[in-house]
Amino acid sequence: KAGVTQTPRYLIKTRGQQVTLSCSPISGHRSVSWYQQTPGQGLQFLFEYFSETQRNKGNFPGRFSGRQFSNSRSEMNVSTLELGDSALYLCASSKSTVYNEQFFGPGTRLTVL
Amino acid sequence: GNSVTQMEGPVTLSEEAFLTINCTYTATGYPSLFWYVQYPGEGLQLLLKATKADDKGSNKGFEATYRKETTSFHLEKGSVQVSDSAVYFCALANNAGNMLTFGGGTRLMVKP
Repeated sequence: KAGVTQTPRYLIKTRGQQVTLSCSPISGHRSVSWYQQTPGQGLQFLFEYFSETQRNKGNFPGRFSGRQFSNSRSEMNVSTLELGDSALYLCASSKSTVYNEQFFGPGTRLTVL
Repeated sequence: GNSVTQMEGPVTLSEEAFLTINCTYTATGYPSLFWYVQYPGEGLQLLLKATKADDKGSNKGFEATYRKETTSFHLEKGSVQVSDSAVYFCALANNAGNMLTFGGGTRLMVKP
């Protein structure tokens, strides 16, 4: 069974640009969550999607957005990039919204110059 | 709100030494508790979990007991190996969904 895949694995952008990251969950998983990992702030929850609906949202500015498609694949978008957005962005999938084990992808390393 | 505090690292041990990584939490209600491990260049892997008070989670020789009275979930292993070198994260989830609150992580380095 394939694991959670994230593309691209590495990305370099400049300030002011926007970026889209993609996550394909494990087959049969309908919940996708996103996390940001930085040395200073650690792991922080961004949002969770289930059946194309955002169920939970973390404390991030509106520049961070996401969506989920009918096949459960998810994308997150960051507009007007800032240097502080440089981070490892992790996606996790789960079978349902009532807590189940979350399986994490390898992450996308975003560097903003 | 929810929060998780774990001991700062790095923790450096010799092979076969005993490991303890402390974790305490603050949460409303009755959260589920987890330990995740992150190896270099990889995502997070669930190591063990406990969903109610006095539960003991265990996996690969690691153990942690959900202590509601002390709001703690300390990770222990009797004999560490070099291959255990990684960053360990304590986390909690309330019963409302999949949102995880993580501690700051503890880097473990095991020397041969």
